[in-house]
Amino acid sequence: QKEVEQNSGPLSVPEGAIASLNCTYSDRGSQSFFWYRQYSGKSPELIMFIYSNGDKEDGRFTAQLNKASQYVSLLIRDSQPSDSATYLCAVNSITDSWGKLQFGAGTQVVVTP
Amino acid sequence: DGGITQSPKYLFRKEGQNVTLSCEQNLNHDAMYWYRQDPGQGLRLIYYSQIVNDFQKGDIAEGYSVSREKKESFPLTVTSAQKNPTAFYLCASGRTGNNSPLHFGNGTRLTVT
Repeated sequence: QKEVEQNSGPLSVPEGAIASLNCTYSDRGSQSFFWYRQYSGKSPELIMFIYSNGDKEDGRFTAQLNKASQYVSLLIRDSQPSDSATYLCAVNSITDSWGKLQFGAGTQVVVTP
Repeated sequence: DGGITQSPKYLFRKEGQNVTLSCEQNLNHDAMYWYRQDPGQGLRLIYYSQIVNDFQKGDIAEGYSVSREKKESFPLTVTSAQKNPTAFYLCASGRTGNNSPLHFGNGTRLTVT
């Protein structure tokens, strides 16, 4: 069983619409959750992190965390063509003190003009 | 500017040769990581290090070796024992602790023929 699961997509979103990405994780004790954006051929860049249940907003991005249901989501409002990328969900591992991150395989988002 | 520098960006080797990928950071981060990414897949952890002269195997360490002689440097050697070395290699660093995100270098794309 994968520890961090995401729909691979592609998720096709019209320009200006809301993109909704979901991520589920298996380690119930995980405490930190991160969203990375990765353009094709490039390295991942951190766009959001969330530690507490509820919503966290940063510009056009909103991260939502529900620890009881073990899922974290990312909403992208007013989607732009520049948002077309693969979004990686990362969850910390608490099986050791190093705080290693486990990554999902990513959801590809395609914003269509 | 602080950051993580990986070199080279592209690397081509013949099968049976060892190759070393460079990773240097000036973010004063204690922890450093090596991930491998294959097309359409998520990041898989190869090795990680929290302090100088100490490192741990990740999920796919076979065929790889690392050293951590300086805080700033964490080179990865891909040995001839690695059966499928062609991949995108990402170096990352971060503060120790469960709430710390990882910051990535620009990656090295290794092709072995």
